[in-house]
Order: sequence, then structure tokens, then C-alpha cells
Amino acid sequence: AQRVTQPEKLLSVFKGAPVELKCNYSYSGSPELFWYVQYSRQRLQLLLRHISRESIKGFTADLNKGETSFHLKKPFAQEEDSAMYYCALMNSGYSTLTFGKGTMLLVSP
Amino acid sequence: EAQVTQNPRYLITVTGKKLTVTCSQNMNHEYMSWYRQDPGLGLRQIYYSMNVEVTDKGDVPEGYKVSRKEKRNFPLILESPSPNQTSLYFCASRGQSTYEQYFGPGTRLTVT
Repeated sequence: AQRVTQPEKLLSVFKGAPVELKCNYSYSGSPELFWYVQYSRQRLQLLLRHISRESIKGFTADLNKGETSFHLKKPFAQEEDSAMYYCALMNSGYSTLTFGKGTMLLVSP
Repeated sequence: EAQVTQNPRYLITVTGKKLTVTCSQNMNHEYMSWYRQDPGLGLRQIYYSMNVEVTDKGDVPEGYKVSRKEKRNFPLILESPSPNQTSLYFCASRGQSTYEQYFGPGTRLTVT
């Protein structure tokens, strides 16, 4: 069974501070991992996908298969980054997207 | 505009009264799914559909039904709602050859 763990329910930082949202996964196959973001009163939207290896809104995430992790990082947090962040894993059949429980990021001025 | 729509957006109902939440997408996506979002539990998949007339259970299917008679629509049916189905529901769709899921705006359901 596949599982996604986000150990922090809430992460509170000051503007300009570095941010790391942790995500660990359990999956027997080759994982497809994603980060989704949900801003207040908005629908979920894709932030980034591990294969693309691109930076979106200053965020990056590296897949570490040895540690089974896919942590989301940003060197300098902005107030507009405050949102709920979900790590998600798609199975090899592309039928199921399993989400972690989410981490609320609060960036204070 | 490419989008996933859900109706209603808010619904308050009583235990046992059958209800349907509609979901429609205009992107000709093959794959559609339903999730419920609960505090501290994140999003959990209820049902999904790989194409017309093809549906399968997700992680928490009990108490729900779905149908996929047309490609664009994927309604969620609660035959006999109970208070533990009070939640925020999201519909999502994805193209067969793409990875990004597009989410609807959500339906907040309260069952008293």
C-alpha cells in the first residue's frame, strides 16, 4: 500500500526565512510525486512535480529515493506563500493519487 | 475556460435524505475522481473513474455511489447520508496522458 506522511501539521515562519515542508512516502514501485497547494478559499492546484525538476514560485523539491523523501523548500518565504500544502503520490497505474494530511504554512510579516 | 465545476457549493441536509453532488469538466478528460477533505486527515479518495462506465473504489467508498454515463459528468450520490459524511468534497479530473489533476471548487456538506 502506498502512503504519504507529512509530519508537521503547522509550520510558522517569518517573512524572509527559509522554509522546508517535509514529506516522506512509502511505495513499492517507482513513485510519481507532487506538491499541491491550497490557498485560502481556493481550490487545490498543482505546485510542482518531481520529474519536471522546475522551480515554481521559488519552491523546489528533490526526490530522495534513499530516504524516501520529497521535501518542499524555499529559501526566502513570502507572506503570500501562506497556504495549505499537500504532498501526493501517484501509483504506477496512474489511477490513484494518495495525499498526505497536509501542512499549513503561515508566513508572518 | 477549462474548468471543473461542482454543484451545489454548500448543502445542509438531514440524515437519510438522498442527495447528489454533481461534477462536470469541459476538458474532455478521461479520468475523474472524488475526494473528501477533513481536518487532520487531508484528502482521501472516495471513488475514481478511468473512463465512461469504468469506476472503482478509492480509500473511503463506504456510503457513497458514483456513475459515469458521460465523459464530462461524474456525480457523487449519497443514498442515505449520515453525520459522519459531513465534509468538504472535491471533484478532480485529469487527461489520460497527463499527470496534473484539476480540482473543482469544493462542496461543503453538512448532515445533521
